[in-house]
Amino acid sequence: DGGITQSPKYLFRKEGQNVTLSCEQNLNHDAMYWYRQDPGQGLRLIYYSQIVNDFQKGDIAEGYSVSREKKESFPLTVTSAQKNPTAFYLCASSIAGQRTDTQYFGPGTRLTVL
Amino acid sequence: SQKIEQNSEALNIQEGKTATLTCNYTNYSPAYLQWYRQDPGRGPVFLLLIRENEKEKRKERLKVTFDTTLKQSLFHITASQPADSATYLCARANDYKLSFGAGTTVTVRA
Repeated sequence: DGGITQSPKYLFRKEGQNVTLSCEQNLNHDAMYWYRQDPGQGLRLIYYSQIVNDFQKGDIAEGYSVSREKKESFPLTVTSAQKNPTAFYLCASSIAGQRTDTQYFGPGTRLTVL
Repeated sequence: SQKIEQNSEALNIQEGKTATLTCNYTNYSPAYLQWYRQDPGRGPVFLLLIRENEKEKRKERLKVTFDTTLKQSLFHITASQPADSATYLCARANDYKLSFGAGTTVTVRA
C-alpha cells in the first residue's frame, strides 16, 4: 500500500525532553511537510522540504527541527525550547510542492507533554 | 499577511439537506483553493481543487464555487448523509505552501 505513515500515534513526554516524531512516505513524492493542529485552529505549517537535503521554516518553526536525508523520510524533533508542545502533529507529502499539488496526509501523532 | 477564514465553526443539518460552507480570503486572490475533509483524530483527505478562472467545480455530491469579486469560495454538500459528518478545511496555495482555515465541522442528523 502506498501512503504516509507516522509513528507513534500517541506520545507522552516529560517537560524539558526532546522528542522525535517519525514520518515516512512511499509515494515517491519530492515535497514533505509538517503541520501542527490545535483545537479550534487550522493547520499551521512548521517546516517543509521540497527536495532531499533541503528544508525551509514554516510559520511556527521556533522550538522545532527537521532533517531530510532521504526522500522518503522527514522526521520532526520537538525540542525543549518549544513552549507549548502538546498538540496533534500531521505530516504530509505532495508530488513536487507546486501550488496545484494536493497534499497527502499521514494519520497524525498526538503529543502530550506532562 | 494573507489570511483564510472559514466563518462557521459548526453546522448542523438534517439528512437530505444541502450544507453550504464558506471560505473567505484576504488580500490578493489565490490562484487555487483546495478543500479537504478531516475526520476526528485523523489526517485531512483532499476533496477538490478549484482554480480562480473556474467558477464552479463538482465531484459527485460536492460542489465548490470561487468568487474572486467577493473573495470567497463556497463548498456545498448536496443530499447530505450522516457519513458526511466531518470537519471540512479550505486552503489557499501560496508559493509552495498551503495556508489552511480553521475548518467547519458539519454534523448531519439522520
